[in-house]
Amino acid sequence: GQQVMQIPQYQHVQEGEDFTTYCNSSTTLSNIQWYKQRPGGHPVFLIQLVKSGEVKKQKRLTFQFGEAKKNSSLHITATQTTDVGTYFCAGPQGNTGKLIFGQGTTLQVKP
Amino acid sequence: GAVVSQHPSWVICKSGTSVKIECRSLDFQATTMFWYRQFPKQSLMLMATSNEGSKATYEQGVEKDKFLINHASLTLSTLTVTSAHPEDSSFYICSASRTASSYNSPLHFGNGTRLTVT
Repeated sequence: GQQVMQIPQYQHVQEGEDFTTYCNSSTTLSNIQWYKQRPGGHPVFLIQLVKSGEVKKQKRLTFQFGEAKKNSSLHITATQTTDVGTYFCAGPQGNTGKLIFGQGTTLQVKP
Repeated sequence: GAVVSQHPSWVICKSGTSVKIECRSLDFQATTMFWYRQFPKQSLMLMATSNEGSKATYEQGVEKDKFLINHASLTLSTLTVTSAHPEDSSFYICSASRTASSYNSPLHFGNGTRLTVT
């Protein structure tokens, strides 16, 4: 079945360092969404990418959607302690309307 | 932005009892709501899709008689964990989309319910 894989599973960085998480789908996606879940919290929508090769920025966060629409990345520049949490990518399962979530990348930032 | 309210935030129950979790969309009508389950340090696993006015659609491996879903109105879906056992202990999160599916719309998540069955 359709799978969405994310790497790395965990990442520890020093505050100020950059961070990147990668997302790969076994099938072509119509769009990809990114969510952030703080420890003890619930997932919060960050962004949706739709177009092949699309790049979107939110302050220090840069999101990319691959040309083949099968992979995506989230890059954080100069991490801060407020960036701590688990970042999930998610893609729709065919035309079912359901979102399939990656395993998530948990980011720890040392002050 | 869209707000989804989930209640209770946490519950502790004895084995064999049933627990009801409510999910409400506060500022929009949700024809479809999704129920997820999350184990510690793991991803979100879709349990079922709740459809207003019709039966829920369950994912493979999810027991529909154990996890009863009722989508009573356009703003309320409930998940009842029947005859709960310790292995049902988990974090249950509901979500809703403004459209009939999450295909092209972001999901708005409730705060989640942490269920502990003793």
